[in-house]
Amino acid sequence: EADIYQTPRYLVIGTGKKITLECSQTMGHDKMYWYQQDPGMELHLIHYSYGVNSTEKGDLSSESTVSRIRTEHFPLTLESARPSHTSQYLCASRGTGINTGELFFGEGSRLTVL
Amino acid sequence: GENVEQHPSTLSVQEGDSAVIKCTYSDSASNYFPWYKQELGKRPQLIIDIRSNVGEKKDQRIAVTLNKTAKHFSLHITETQPEDSAVYFCAASPLTGGGNKLTFGTGTQLKVEL
Repeated sequence: EADIYQTPRYLVIGTGKKITLECSQTMGHDKMYWYQQDPGMELHLIHYSYGVNSTEKGDLSSESTVSRIRTEHFPLTLESARPSHTSQYLCASRGTGINTGELFFGEGSRLTVL
Repeated sequence: GENVEQHPSTLSVQEGDSAVIKCTYSDSASNYFPWYKQELGKRPQLIIDIRSNVGEKKDQRIAVTLNKTAKHFSLHITETQPEDSAVYFCAASPLTGGGNKLTFGTGTQLKVEL
């Protein structure tokens, strides 16, 4: 089934650890995005990608990094996690073309840094 | 860049009443205005969208209106039901260019009381 998948769904780690949040979509979308969201609160864009080998920083400054080596895969990495990184991270994708507007979200990765 | 403001931040209505959520945007290049619903613990999902070439769009109990001159758009929910309780986000973006970044409003917590 065409969808967007995120792993892990929940992660509790200690300060200073390196983590990678995985995101994959099977819809063939060129554009992919990472949002940070505290529960029920505003969606903050932290990274986006137009396509393979293209990545840009979003509107909210983030210490995370992303890569886009394959169209379907857009992982987010934190080199050294801190308690301030505790949040939910939502991956999303969008098709290309003037008639393709809908943004599809994954189920999210809820990160807790102790 | 685009700036989207959304009001109110919380809205409580009685079942069967109507609910209206309002948003304003700043960038005249924006021509796509979606609304997302996020239920507790779930991912945001598109419920309705409108393009700048129309002023109103309806889908059963929900409708969206757009005033390009004033740069504002609104979501109308009629005959509200308990399952309408959720956080609603408006957003704006150009359909082409700029990475198709969606800029989201800050969200409205809608509670439908029995």
